[in-house]
Amino acid sequence: AQTVTQSQPEMSVQEAETVTLSCTYDTSENNYYLFWYKQPPSRQMILVIRQEAYKQQNATENRFSVNFQKAAKSFSLKISDSQLGDTAMYFCAFMKERGAQKLVFGQGTRLTINP
Amino acid sequence: GAGVSQSPSNKVTEKGKDVELRCDPISGHTALYWYRQSLGQGLEFLIYFQGNSAPDKSGLPSDRFSAERTGGSVSTLTIQRTQQEDSAVYLCASSLTTNSYEQYFGPGTRLTVT
Repeated sequence: AQTVTQSQPEMSVQEAETVTLSCTYDTSENNYYLFWYKQPPSRQMILVIRQEAYKQQNATENRFSVNFQKAAKSFSLKISDSQLGDTAMYFCAFMKERGAQKLVFGQGTRLTINP
Repeated sequence: GAGVSQSPSNKVTEKGKDVELRCDPISGHTALYWYRQSLGQGLEFLIYFQGNSAPDKSGLPSDRFSAERTGGSVSTLTIQRTQQEDSAVYLCASSLTTNSYEQYFGPGTRLTVT
């Protein structure tokens, strides 16, 4: 079974700062996907960024980038130039490439961006 | 186009009553997923549908929980004889197929059992 661990329950930074959220996972699979989802107070889960395990290049989406270390089973999210609208719960998630496409989530990190 | 919708948005029920939660996936999406988000257990998978069949029901916590999907579209999650530990946010997601990596989530139903 796969497990995902987020060791930072809460983080808080000032607007415009850079923040890094940590995630580690455990799996025996070789091919898989990793995701970061954002959940604002509206409860709607929004996909922020994804990474395919077979790709060595780290994924980037505007101000969001990941540091994917496959051997270490680590998948951190970096948010640059943080904005007030980035305030939300952030979940790291794992999906097997084949088979049941269910997402396995970490416990989440509550991120607060202060003005 | 319209996203995933869920109803009701909030539901308060008395312990022992049955409840039905509804999910309308994005039109054309053949795969549909139910997750539960609770304080104690975090976000956990319940069940998924490919069309009208449910190949993986492994996450349903007890036989009080059941789900169905009709016409390859709307899905209903039913909880019988609700207990206080069933209080949670129930999230639904859909994807184009089960081979699609991206799941689109609805806003969830917050269930409170008193």
